Amino acid sequence: SQQGEEDPQALSIQEGENATMNCSYKTSINNLQWYRQNSGRGLVHLILIRSNEREKHSGRLRVTLDTSKKSSSLLITASRAADTASYFCATASASGGSYIPTFGRGTSLIVHP
Amino acid sequence: EAQVTQNPRYLITVTGKKLTVTCSQNMNHEYMSWYRQDPGLGLRQIYYSMNVEVTDKGDVPEGYKVSRKEKRNFPLILESPSPNQTSLYFCASSFRRTLGVQETQYFGPGTRLLVL
Repeated sequence: SQQGEEDPQALSIQEGENATMNCSYKTSINNLQWYRQNSGRGLVHLILIRSNEREKHSGRLRVTLDTSKKSSSLLITASRAADTASYFCATASASGGSYIPTFGRGTSLIVHP
Repeated sequence: EAQVTQNPRYLITVTGKKLTVTCSQNMNHEYMSWYRQDPGLGLRQIYYSMNVEVTDKGDVPEGYKVSRKEKRNFPLILESPSPNQTSLYFCASSFRRTLGVQETQYFGPGTRLLVL
């Protein structure tokens, strides 16, 4: 079962433009995380936003969280060719005393120089 | 250097020949898990382990086994691999501080498996 779903599936922009990706989820969460994956490589953690936070910044990254709509967005400002990668949101729902984090299918971002 | 290592990185095998993909982390993490990644399907969790000797099924456990005899190691075993297990596999680990709270996961570099 896929808890988080990213939108759009693919995004192609020019260097210098902003890139916005969205994530929707289904159940209550404690936090939501965004990860980045370069082609064929492992995922790298970008940013974590807690359920009581609405917005968080890290360098050129801005993440928002709307728990009433069960959605989050990741904004990359002034994009660079090196930002080309797939981006995933990850959420976890407590189930039976444990938790299973789930990832969406990802947004594939291409930034053209 | 804090890291998750996987071996081998690339593997070509034949149907039915048992194989093991090793995973090791040096961060003293309690939680470890295995994912497979396939085009159009994203990451799907195969098995996870909350601590030593504690393992549980993820979303797609069929055809896989795991063990957690030591905190740092979490091998993935394919007893009788089949072509539909051709995929890119990732091991990940994290701390497990609070029940129901997802911690940051650290991923290995991936193992690309081809089953003929």
